[in-house]
Amino acid sequence: GQQLNQSPQSMFIQEGEDVSMNCTSSSIFNTWLWYKQDPGEGPVLLIALYKAGELTSNGRLTAQFGITRKDSFLNISASIPSDIGIYFCAGQLGSGGSNYKLTFGKGTLLTVNP
Amino acid sequence: ETGVTQSPTHLIKTRGQQVTLRCSSQSGHNTVSWYQQALGQGPQFIFQYYREEENGRGNFPPRFSGLQFPNYSSELNVNALELDDSALYLCASSPTPEYEQYFGPGTRLTVT
Repeated sequence: GQQLNQSPQSMFIQEGEDVSMNCTSSSIFNTWLWYKQDPGEGPVLLIALYKAGELTSNGRLTAQFGITRKDSFLNISASIPSDIGIYFCAGQLGSGGSNYKLTFGKGTLLTVNP
Repeated sequence: ETGVTQSPTHLIKTRGQQVTLRCSSQSGHNTVSWYQQALGQGPQFIFQYYREEENGRGNFPPRFSGLQFPNYSSELNVNALELDDSALYLCASSPTPEYEQYFGPGTRLTVT
């Protein structure tokens, strides 16, 4: 099935550093979401974006919905060890039936060294 | 407020067998979506149920089927299990189909 292009695949950073990851698609989406998944658990919703150009923050996390509707990025400021995990972007087209499905990237594995 | 719950946590089945996975949606949510997540991949959409009706399906064969009950809980059934069906199966609920989806902890299915 279709997947979004998410980069980087993995990151290894020092505690306190800022992190940036992004997601691109060949087709537009009307909603972009960012999730974090810890090993053996389900994805946890971090941020939802509903409007092109929208910039939304959730604590140390900031995400933006690209103007073209084909991309989004997530920034994490002042990383801490509990930020370790896999971050997934997901796009939703909306407007009926299978268009409500979420299409996911392959994830970015973040490791934070204390 | 109780979140999305799934059962069982882990399951081991033999090729050719059938399996039923269960999901209880978050309170106030009438939409349930099911996803399959293979190791090292993002979740792949199987299907969605809204008010007890299938409301969209991904590229999965008919041996993947589902149900949604009047209390909005849901089941995923897989017949004639194949080795490639080994994965984490995730259930997500949302207040309505177009709103953000909240995931349960998943069921780890191993087919031998």
